[in-house]
Amino acid sequence: GAVVSQHPSRVICKSGTSVKIECRSLDFQATTMFWYRQFPKQSLMLMATSNEGSKATYEQGVEKDKFLINHASLTLSTLTVTSAHPEDSSFYICSARDQGKNTQYFGPGTRLTVL
Amino acid sequence: GNSVTQMEGPVTLSEEAFLTINCTYTATGYPSLFWYVQYPGEGLQLLLKATKADDKGSNKGFEATYRKETTSFHLEKGSVQVSDSAVYFCALSDQAGTALIFGKGTTLSVSS
Repeated sequence: GAVVSQHPSRVICKSGTSVKIECRSLDFQATTMFWYRQFPKQSLMLMATSNEGSKATYEQGVEKDKFLINHASLTLSTLTVTSAHPEDSSFYICSARDQGKNTQYFGPGTRLTVL
Repeated sequence: GNSVTQMEGPVTLSEEAFLTINCTYTATGYPSLFWYVQYPGEGLQLLLKATKADDKGSNKGFEATYRKETTSFHLEKGSVQVSDSAVYFCALSDQAGTALIFGKGTTLSVSS
């Protein structure tokens, strides 16, 4: 089946540093990828929609200058958390849409801890 | 706007018990409906889906029927196993290609 990978799976960083998270679709091309954030014991909240070759679309309340999204190819989207702070600690999950099957496949998530 | 409402958890069952997790939705038009499962420490996995009214999605013994008249997509399984312990999310997509809108999730705990 379709596989979406995320790297790293877990990252711990100091406050003020930037962290890049990669999301890859391994056996299909994804013109659209989505980035979600999940707080402990809560649901997933959409942060932004990443479109290959164009600017990402951010949800209301999500700072685009803090959460930089780049979707440079049909198999890779990156989320960079800039100047991370402890309140950015969360579980970040990406999904990629397989257009041919009209189905989204989720990555395994990245646990970010900012000290 | 569009939304998904799931029953509050946690749901605690004994092995081989019958499971129902209620899910209702609010949406314009004809959304697609999904159930995702998240096992401890893992990402979300698609469990089943239905794309039009009266469709029944099924997988691994789980079933859910798209009921437009009651705007519901309840998840059922006739006999749960310990390995089914996980968090279950109901979700909808109001148009092809758009992001999913998730319910809050229901934690299922099955004991032997």
